[in-house]
Amino acid sequence: EAGVTQFPSHSVIEKGQTVTLRCDPISGHDNLYWYRRVMGKEIKFLLHFVKESKQDESGMPNNRFLAERTGGTYSTLKVQPAELEDSGVYFCASSQGQGNSPLHFGNGTRLTVT
Amino acid sequence: GNSVTQMEGPVTLSEEAFLTINCTYTATGYPSLFWYVQYPGEGLQLLLKATKADDKGSNKGFEATYRKETTSFHLEKGSVQVSDSAVYFCALLIQGAQKLVFGQGTRLTINP
Repeated sequence: EAGVTQFPSHSVIEKGQTVTLRCDPISGHDNLYWYRRVMGKEIKFLLHFVKESKQDESGMPNNRFLAERTGGTYSTLKVQPAELEDSGVYFCASSQGQGNSPLHFGNGTRLTVT
Repeated sequence: GNSVTQMEGPVTLSEEAFLTINCTYTATGYPSLFWYVQYPGEGLQLLLKATKADDKGSNKGFEATYRKETTSFHLEKGSVQVSDSAVYFCALLIQGAQKLVFGQGTRLTINP
C-alpha cells in the first residue's frame, strides 16, 4: 500500500509570500494530522481532521495558517503570509482509527522562509 | 500540562557500543508512550510503544520500559550499528486525546 505522501519535499519562499503544502493520506484513513518541527525543537501538533471535519485545531499557531480537507481525502495547509518563524518541517500523518491506532507519517515538507 | 523531555543530543557512539537515550514525561492522564525514529531523508516511523506501567516495548534490538514510578521511558540497545544513525523522538499519547506530544528529538550518529 502507498504510504502518506507530502508535496513538495522542500520549499523556499520569501517572507510575505504564500505557500501551500499538500498531504495525501493512506487510502481509507479517515484521520489526518498535521505536525510541525521548528528549528530542531520538539514536534508539535497543529490539527486533526476526521474525514473533512476539523476535530481539533488547537495547535494552529495563528490565523495565517489555513488547513483544508475537502472531500475527506487529501489535505492542504496554506501559510499566508509566511513569516521567518514559520520555517521548519511540516509532517502529515494518517490513521485508520483513533486512540492507539498507529500513525503513519509522511516524509515531511521542509519549509524555509527567507 | 503534558510534556516530554529527552536527553540532549547529538549523541555519537562507536559501532557495537551500548546506547541509552533518556526520556521522562509529565502527564495529566494515563499515557501511552512511544519511540519514533526518523532515518535520513525519511519520515517518522514508530519504533516501539508501551501502553501501561511496566510494559516493555521492543523492536530491532531496541527496548524501552514504561516506568510509572520514575515517569520514564528510556530507550536502550545493547549493540548499535551504523544503520541506527537517525533522530529519535520520545512521545506520549493521553487516553482519549488524539494528539501525540513529542520530545525535542535526539540525533544519534554511529561511527564504524
